[in-house]
Amino acid sequence: KQEVTQIPAALSVPEGENLVLNCSFTDSAIYNLQWFRQDPGKGLTSLLLIQSSQREQTSGRLNASLDKSSGRSTLYIAASQPGDSATYLCAVKGNEKLTFGTGTRLTIIP
Amino acid sequence: NAGVTQTPKFRVLKTGQSMTLLCAQDMNHEYMYWYRQDPGMGLRLIHYSVGEGTTAKGEVPDGYNVSRLKKQNFLLGLESAAPSQTSVYFCASSYSGGRRNQPQHFGDGTRLSIL
Repeated sequence: KQEVTQIPAALSVPEGENLVLNCSFTDSAIYNLQWFRQDPGKGLTSLLLIQSSQREQTSGRLNASLDKSSGRSTLYIAASQPGDSATYLCAVKGNEKLTFGTGTRLTIIP
Repeated sequence: NAGVTQTPKFRVLKTGQSMTLLCAQDMNHEYMYWYRQDPGMGLRLIHYSVGEGTTAKGEVPDGYNVSRLKKQNFLLGLESAAPSQTSVYFCASSYSGGRRNQPQHFGDGTRLSIL
């Protein structure tokens, strides 16, 4: 059974710093990995999707990497802003379904 | 373009009552999903559908039923609500849930409390 872990559960950093969020998974037989953002009381917004054949994806200040063989992904956020404060979830795609981690709650301190 | 719309946004039920949650998507997606989100447990898949007229069980299907009579709608039913079903329910859709590597798009959720 696939298990997805995100450590730490919460992270606070000063505005302007670069930061890395971590995601690990137990079964490397995945089709893709997706990073989501969730604001309080809201749904999930897809940030980046990395296919199993890819090593990384970039969107603006966000860069996600995937090392399938070691079961790890990172989400790099450059020049953090208070608006980046949210919970970040990663999810891996197996046959037909996504398995989610429990998320990292990120707070950017102005 | 509304994306994925869930109705209602909030609901309080008494134990034993029934209700239906509605999910509608306007992106012509084949695949639709229902998840529940509980503190410390992440999102868990309840049921999903790979196309109109089809449904399949996910991780935690007990106590729920679903129907996909129209491609754009996916209904989640609670026949006899229990306090353990207190949760936030999310609907999602995607172009194809197989190997096409398409992202899932989520609604804003339905917050359900069972007293």
